[in-house]
Amino acid sequence: AQTVTQSQPEMSVQEAETVTLSCTYDTSESDYYLFWYKQPPSRQMILVIRQEAYKQQNATENRFSVNFQKAAKSFSLKISDSQLGDAAMYFCAELPLSGTYKYIFGTGTRLKVLA
Amino acid sequence: NAGVTQTPKFRILKIGQSMTLQCAQDMNHNYMYWYRQDPGMGLKLIYYSVGAGITDKGEVPNGYNVSRSTTEDFPLRLELAAPSQTSVYFCASSSPLNYEQYFGPGTRLTVT
Repeated sequence: AQTVTQSQPEMSVQEAETVTLSCTYDTSESDYYLFWYKQPPSRQMILVIRQEAYKQQNATENRFSVNFQKAAKSFSLKISDSQLGDAAMYFCAELPLSGTYKYIFGTGTRLKVLA
Repeated sequence: NAGVTQTPKFRILKIGQSMTLQCAQDMNHNYMYWYRQDPGMGLKLIYYSVGAGITDKGEVPNGYNVSRSTTEDFPLRLELAAPSQTSVYFCASSSPLNYEQYFGPGTRLTVT
């Protein structure tokens, strides 16, 4: 079965500093999407960033950017200028575009932002 | 545009009781999903649907049932509730344009 692995259960970062969250996946698909979702204490799941596998250019959204290494099947999230509001659980997910359209989620990384 | 709505927000069930978790979306998405999230864990797929009348099992379907009679609604039925079903349940739908999943606010269910 395909899996998504987040090897860091918890990370801490000082306010205004930069932090990188790791994610690896083991898909056999040639076409897929990758996502990072944020889940703050409110429980609401919020899309942070999305990457299409066929695009070599790394996606960016304001302070959030990814390092997509397709050959290594790695998809890390970099958060720059960390803010207190960034504290949350972060989930990495893969969507193989093989027809079933089932998202595969990692187990999450809890990010703490220290003032 | 309300997005994905779920009711109820909280529920306490006694062992053996049944209930239906409601989910609706107003974005005309074909794909809809039910997940459960146990404390400190990630999301596990219970059931999903690719359109009205079409449903399929995810990785943890036992003890649950779904139906999809309309594009908008995707209710999840719990039969004979067990303590192992204590969890937070999320409904989601996804856009066929960019595959972004839109999540509801979740239902916290406790079975005692």
